[in-house]
Amino acid sequence: GAGVSQSPSNKVTEKGKDVELRCDPISGHTALYWYRQSLGQGLEFLIYFQGNSAPDKSGLPSDRFSAERTGGSVSTLTIQRTQQEDSAVYLCASSLEGGRVGSYEQYFGPGTRLTVT
Amino acid sequence: SQQGEEDPQALSIQEGENATMNCSYKTSINNLQWYRQNSGRGLVHLILIRSNEREKHSGRLRVTLDTSKKSSSLLITASRAADTASYFCATDGPRNQFYFGTGTSLTVIP
Repeated sequence: GAGVSQSPSNKVTEKGKDVELRCDPISGHTALYWYRQSLGQGLEFLIYFQGNSAPDKSGLPSDRFSAERTGGSVSTLTIQRTQQEDSAVYLCASSLEGGRVGSYEQYFGPGTRLTVT
Repeated sequence: SQQGEEDPQALSIQEGENATMNCSYKTSINNLQWYRQNSGRGLVHLILIRSNEREKHSGRLRVTLDTSKKSSSLLITASRAADTASYFCATDGPRNQFYFGTGTSLTVIP
């Protein structure tokens, strides 16, 4: 079946502009994760959705970052007033999740490479 | 933070040899997972081990978990060139967050 998809695959934007990244999880997966990976680094957890709700938003780097999920499916990550340090690959993952975060394997999308000039 | 640390940071071995990488984490966990990342296939889940398990196998992979030492190891036996990738451990933590380690870069020389 279809895996996790993300769009756009690449995004170049000017400093100060807003960007919106989209994630389509695997159908039926109730949990959805957003991560950020800077060049040569590990993954930085941003936010986790169980259904449409995010129990904790403290992983978001600043108040310029926001995320939402509607209908228990598609999620968008919005970065307002982008800065050069926001340049990274943004990864989305989904999983079957009945309870605690990390209880099931996560399926990752290909990522969106964001470059802020 | 709860972020795990893998050791070594980089490992280079000959094809056919075994590769062992270690992961340490900071606080108690419910589950620990290992993932592989290479440029061709992105991030792929390898194995999940729960806190009440001590060892788990999947094909050529063997994972151990020692919760008293807050550490895990991943053993890849009879390595292949296709195993060349970065390997990450990941754990749950407080506040419904999920933490990836810094990764081990494995190179398997044909």
